[in-house]
Amino acid sequence: DVKVTQSSRYLVKRTGEKVFLECVQDMDHENMFWYRQDPGLGLRLIYFSYDVKMKEKGDIPEGYSVSREKKERFSLILESASTNQTSMYLCASSPDSYDQPQHFGDGTRLSIL
Amino acid sequence: AQSVSQHNHHVILSEAASLELGCNYSYGGTVNLFWYVQYPGQHLQLLLKYFSGDPLVKGIKGFEAEFIKSKFSFNLRKPSVQWSDTAEYFCAVNAPNRDDKIIFGKGTRLHILP
Repeated sequence: DVKVTQSSRYLVKRTGEKVFLECVQDMDHENMFWYRQDPGLGLRLIYFSYDVKMKEKGDIPEGYSVSREKKERFSLILESASTNQTSMYLCASSPDSYDQPQHFGDGTRLSIL
Repeated sequence: AQSVSQHNHHVILSEAASLELGCNYSYGGTVNLFWYVQYPGQHLQLLLKYFSGDPLVKGIKGFEAEFIKSKFSFNLRKPSVQWSDTAEYFCAVNAPNRDDKIIFGKGTRLHILP
């Protein structure tokens, strides 16, 4: 069974801090994704990666960056956290095949004070 | 650009009622279609998917969805809902000839009254 593990379920940070959200998958998937989930807005793609050291902007990349130094790990970085980045962040992974679904982690609920 | 529309944001039903959640997408080429479910406090998980073949797809927990290409729709159905179906449901689409991105709808929050 695919396991996508996000390092924290809940996180509270202050405005201006640099925040790291970590995600690890154990199925050797090529693709990894970061979304934020907000009520009434569904899932919005922040960044994704097709391979190690590769990254692509999603629909809302502003204020975020990512790092993929190893295949199993995909980190989301909030360079200078702001209150409008308070949200639920979801990580997902999938194999390099169009007909395979994404597998999601449990999410990190991030509050920026 | 691709988009996915879920018409119902919040649905309330009694147990044993029949369910249909609407989903329309806006892409004219070949698509893969998904329904995901998120139970309270849990991660998103795949309910069912359509890639090709029979347009009526059966998923877990008695759910099914029908792909109607002419209507760009992929509605989710269940003949008799249970209290345990209370969850948020997301329709999603990707275009396999373009990239691996999956576009999600905004979700439908389903509340089943016992």
